[in-house]
Amino acid sequence: AQSVTQLGSHVSVSEGALVLLRCNYSSSVPPYLFWYVQYPNQGLQLLLKYTSAATLVKGINGFEAEFKKSETSFHLTKPSAHMSDAAEYFCAVSEAGNNRLAFGKGNQVVVIP
Amino acid sequence: GAVVSQHPSRVICKSGTSVKIECRSLDFQATTMFWYRQFPKQSLMLMATSNEGSKATYEQGVEKDKFLINHASLTLSTLTVTSAHPEDSSFYICSASTDTPETQYFGPGTRLLVL
Repeated sequence: AQSVTQLGSHVSVSEGALVLLRCNYSSSVPPYLFWYVQYPNQGLQLLLKYTSAATLVKGINGFEAEFKKSETSFHLTKPSAHMSDAAEYFCAVSEAGNNRLAFGKGNQVVVIP
Repeated sequence: GAVVSQHPSRVICKSGTSVKIECRSLDFQATTMFWYRQFPKQSLMLMATSNEGSKATYEQGVEKDKFLINHASLTLSTLTVTSAHPEDSSFYICSASTDTPETQYFGPGTRLLVL
């Protein structure tokens, strides 16, 4: 079964600094990988996804992620943090052709003015 | 486009009662809908997958007789928590996918509090 590991439940970043959220996956078949953002008391919004096309994926709000098969990673980055980026971020994996998502534990991002 | 709604957004009920949560795809037809449960400060756990007109597939450890799922149309799925108890209090989130199965569109969630 597929799984995702996100380390560091809380991540603090200064406004204007680089945002880096790490995600490592485990999958027995080629994975589809996702990053979602969740604002308080709301559902999830898709930031970006990797589905076996380009390994560098650009998403909404200036986020991007790079699929590295050799490292089984799909880290999320944003060059310059904004206050509005404060939210919970979840990495998720599904196996190609199987749309059951397995989520990581999430990273709570705090942006410091 | 691709909007999913849930109703109600929050509900408080007494222990032993049943609660129904609706999940609707507003501007697309959802071939598959998913139900997740999220405890405070934790991740989403998939409870079940439902396809229109067929029985839901439940994840291991989820009681199908307690969490009844009906997917009567391509735009509506319902989750009924039967004989709710305080430990059922949680945030329930649905999602829907179309003919692009790897993309799920999430509803805003329903917060259930059982007293």
